[in-house]
Amino acid sequence: DGGITQSPKYLFRKEGQNVTLSCEQNLNHDAMYWYRQDPGQGLRLIYYSQIVNDFQKGDIAEGYSVSREKKESFPLTVTSAQKNPTAFYLCASSIGDRVSGDGYTFGSGTRLTVV
Amino acid sequence: AQSVTQPDIHITVSEGASLELRCNYSYGATPYLFWYVQSPGQGLQLLLKYFSGDTLVQGIKGFEAEFKRSQSSFNLRKPSVHWSDAAEYFCAVGALVGNEKLTFGTGTRLTIIP
Repeated sequence: DGGITQSPKYLFRKEGQNVTLSCEQNLNHDAMYWYRQDPGQGLRLIYYSQIVNDFQKGDIAEGYSVSREKKESFPLTVTSAQKNPTAFYLCASSIGDRVSGDGYTFGSGTRLTVV
Repeated sequence: AQSVTQPDIHITVSEGASLELRCNYSYGATPYLFWYVQSPGQGLQLLLKYFSGDTLVQGIKGFEAEFKRSQSSFNLRKPSVHWSDAAEYFCAVGALVGNEKLTFGTGTRLTIIP
């Protein structure tokens, strides 16, 4: 079955450490997205990519970095510059760079905690 | 720019009672409209969608939603809730033209009491 796989499900980061969250999709979708979710704040867009080797900042990109070397993969690195990284991170994908009737498909999320 | 408002942060409903979750959007034309559901610690699952045709749309798990252009609303309904419906619900709006991304509401958390 096609879908989006996020790993790991739980991740612990020490102060000053960079960590990378994985997101892989086998839906042949062109566009991929990273969202951060905090209680009561809904989904906030971190980065998105509409095509391989290209990506754009979302609303809260500071302290994060991404790459899109393959269509299937869109890893997110949470750097030490992100001062409050504890959150639930969601990866999503869509068929193209425009909204379609299929909307977005989401992964099951990674919960990142600073220890 | 498009926007979406979910006025209710938290709703509590008795099991077996009816449910209506509100969603209001702002967009210059008829948009794509979606409802997603998120169980604790999980990703978002698409419940239903609307972009044209019959204004009453049916989704999975017995949910339905009605598009009302005059009120810029897309409220989610279920005639009789089950304990398993306890989750967070997100409304989202997207443009039919252009390459704007989906805009999500802040969500409504649904609690079911016995």
